[in-house]
Amino acid sequence: QKEVEQDPGPLSVPEGAIVSLNCTYSNSAFQYFMWYRQYSRKGPELLMYTYSSGNKEDGRFTAQVDKSSKYISLFIRDSQPSDSATYLCAMSGRGNQFYFGTGTSLTVIP
Amino acid sequence: EAQVTQNPRYLITVTGKKLTVTCSQNMNHEYMSWYRQDPGLGLRQIYYSMNVEVTDKGDVPEGYKVSRKEKRNFPLILESPSPNQTSLYFCASSPRTGASNQPQHFGDGTRLSIL
Repeated sequence: QKEVEQDPGPLSVPEGAIVSLNCTYSNSAFQYFMWYRQYSRKGPELLMYTYSSGNKEDGRFTAQVDKSSKYISLFIRDSQPSDSATYLCAMSGRGNQFYFGTGTSLTVIP
Repeated sequence: EAQVTQNPRYLITVTGKKLTVTCSQNMNHEYMSWYRQDPGLGLRQIYYSMNVEVTDKGDVPEGYKVSRKEKRNFPLILESPSPNQTSLYFCASSPRTGASNQPQHFGDGTRLSIL
């Protein structure tokens, strides 16, 4: 079983829609959770970083962590064509390694 | 500008010919790491380094070497490359704050093709 599971999509939505991206994980020791956005031919860039359970909001982006269900989500409100990219979840525990999902490809149609 | 710089960005080479991919960061970060990204497998950690002269294996270290002689540099070495090492490689760095794992800054990647 993979440490982190993420639906690869692709996901296609109209401009202005609310987008929901999700990851599940198996290691209960994970306590640091991240979402990255990756454009074609570029490295991942950090969108959101949360510690333990709860919600965090930054502009149009909201990250949720449910440690009891081992489930994390990223919501994008009022999606824009510039949000079209691959979204990667990542997590880490007390150790020094990071584990990434395979990424979800998102296209926002004008 | 804060950045992680990888070189080369693209490389086509042949089996068995030793190669080095360089990585340099200008943010004085303690933690540096190498990943490979493959379709359907996502980003997988190859090696990481907590600080100068401290390196550890990630999930897929076979066939790779690293060194950390200076804080800013973390080269990835393929002593005898094979076609299954054809991939997109990323270097990343982050500060270490106590026991927390801070999110990483990534370079723009090196696309490596081994024939």
